[in-house]
Amino acid sequence: AQSVAQPEDQVNVAEGNPLTVKCTYSVSGNPYLFWYVQYPNRGLQFLLKYITGDNLVKGSYGFEAEFNKSQTSFHLKKPSALVSDSALYFCAVRPRGGATNKLIFGTGTLLAVQP
Amino acid sequence: DVKVTQSSRYLVKRTGEKVFLECVQDMDHENMFWYRQDPGLGLRLIYFSYDVKMKEKGDIPEGYSVSREKKERFSLILESASTNQTSMYLCASSASLGEQFFGPGTRLTVL
Repeated sequence: AQSVAQPEDQVNVAEGNPLTVKCTYSVSGNPYLFWYVQYPNRGLQFLLKYITGDNLVKGSYGFEAEFNKSQTSFHLKKPSALVSDSALYFCAVRPRGGATNKLIFGTGTLLAVQP
Repeated sequence: DVKVTQSSRYLVKRTGEKVFLECVQDMDHENMFWYRQDPGLGLRLIYFSYDVKMKEKGDIPEGYSVSREKKERFSLILESASTNQTSMYLCASSASLGEQFFGPGTRLTVL
């Protein structure tokens, strides 16, 4: 079965330190890959996506993500965390070649940035 | 900017009531989706629609139905609400194969 794994329920990081939120996937072929962020009591906001090309993708709010085909991973990163980055982060994949735009979501990782 | 709106932010209903959740998008997107979000389970797809009057079941359609009579509007219907349908409901829309844009969510409590 196709799936997305976010192995950490929560990531804690001090403000100013680099952060990584992990995502691995089990999907045939080379899927499209996405990261979304959810602030408290809000809907999801699109952060970035990987379609093809450079393995390092830059997105909103200074976030970037690195696609690693051999490890089937798409980890979210930021060089210097802000307290305002504290939120719930979701990784999602869409298999290539599908006729619809259905996404498979991970279970989410709560990022807590301490001042 | 794409805007996806949902009819209510918070809703409290009683067991057995018929519940309508409405979603409207303003970007002429073909695809619309209904998810429910529960702690530890992430987002689970209930139904989606890729055109007017077209719908497909997602991963957890039981107890739900949908309606898409106009391109901009996608309704989720709980025919007879039950307590296990207490959840956050998220609507999303997308152009064909583009990223999905989400509404603010409706937190439904069924008593």
